[in-house]
Amino acid sequence: DAKTTQPNSMESNEEEPVHLPCNHSTISGTDYIHWYRQLPSQGPEYVIHGLTSNVNNRMASLAIAEDRKSSTLILHRATLRDAAVYYCIQANDYKLSFGAGTTVTVRA
Amino acid sequence: NAGVTQTPKFRVLKTGQSMTLLCAQDMNHEYMYWYRQDPGMGLRLIHYSVGEGTTAKGEVPDGYNVSRLKKQNFLLGLESAAPSQTSVYFCASQGVPYEQYFGPGTRLTVT
Repeated sequence: DAKTTQPNSMESNEEEPVHLPCNHSTISGTDYIHWYRQLPSQGPEYVIHGLTSNVNNRMASLAIAEDRKSSTLILHRATLRDAAVYYCIQANDYKLSFGAGTTVTVRA
Repeated sequence: NAGVTQTPKFRVLKTGQSMTLLCAQDMNHEYMYWYRQDPGMGLRLIHYSVGEGTTAKGEVPDGYNVSRLKKQNFLLGLESAAPSQTSVYFCASQGVPYEQYFGPGTRLTVT
């Protein structure tokens, strides 16, 4: 069973930031927070992961709450190509458990 | 690099038939995975492998078998297909911790 909670869907306008929330209230000290996304008719794609500190890469930023019970994936400037299902995953080993994710729609 | 490739891309089977799905990766990754994704749902782990010659059960292993005879290949077998196995099957590999690379998927329909 997925251990994280995400909204079913979110909408954004092109070139505006998108903040995707994720709750992981049962997270343990060794659990990482992973984000993947799945574009239509494709396999999932790694976005970012973190443990305690905020993380940035070329695709997105991950802001982790101080108590680690929630996190936010930030897409700084949404493009039409960012329309996808975004999965937030809590895991402490190499096995990932995908929930239903958040479907992000980007309006032109 | 081709990354992760899956063969075939599409397949239709009749109930009771068997088939093998092939996953190949050219990144020298140790870990490989098979997932299934049903409409409107997230991925569920079927089997995985932490290295050549090893396999282990995931969340939904029943009705499937796997083999990892070579490091670059991970095979998923259905011995007697059932309509409940109609799904999209994704293979993934992992080298650097926590970053999995996925293939394009195989769409399987069992009638």
